[in-house]
Amino acid sequence: NAGVMQNPRHLVRRRGQEARLRCSPMKGHSHVYWYRQLPEEGLKFMVYLQKENIIDESGMPKERFSAEFPKEGPSILRIQQVVRGDSAAYFCASSPGQGLGEQFFGPGTRLTVL
Amino acid sequence: AQKITQTQPGMFVQEKEAVTLDCTYDTSDPSYGLFWYKQPSSGEMIFLIYQGSYDQQNATEGRYSLNFQKARKSANLVISASQLGDSAMYFCAMREGPDQGGKLIFGQGTELSVKP
Repeated sequence: NAGVMQNPRHLVRRRGQEARLRCSPMKGHSHVYWYRQLPEEGLKFMVYLQKENIIDESGMPKERFSAEFPKEGPSILRIQQVVRGDSAAYFCASSPGQGLGEQFFGPGTRLTVL
Repeated sequence: AQKITQTQPGMFVQEKEAVTLDCTYDTSDPSYGLFWYKQPSSGEMIFLIYQGSYDQQNATEGRYSLNFQKARKSANLVISASQLGDSAMYFCAMREGPDQGGKLIFGQGTELSVKP
């Protein structure tokens, strides 16, 4: 009964490289949320996806960031041409629906941009 | 305007004592959920307790209880009999009704330190 899985747990990139963060939701969950936690701050919503659809990307930076949740496979958060300010912890959460119940969080991916 | 406010950046409590972590929220949606998460130094987000806006009784989960005062829009977390392992960051979060897509809105967090 695996929980939400994220990989890698730690990712180091140099400025200008691409970062790909993966999230496998809990079994039976078709709703995925991505959040970013900058140092010393709370989590901030980035994007909400269902299978093959982006439902709400109001928290995504306008450039360089994209997300997908294909029919098969994990959800991917992609950051192109990373900058130092992208260094943060990126959390994925999943839920079975968009009701008011709990979202289950993954362990997070800590991105460091050198 | 801030939707979730945690006014205590840091709190200290003596082991075995109770502690209250404050959280106020702002929403015009009649249907919402309130959550508390614990984030230890290892970084993962651990769900503690949930309160729905229509729930008549305050939520409790073991040593955790949520003091829900709807008219005051507050959802304080009470930890009874603090343990050293309770030292961590604590985040209050809100999820508004289905029309808002279900995303969580987090407060800035309170760092709790339990003293032996």
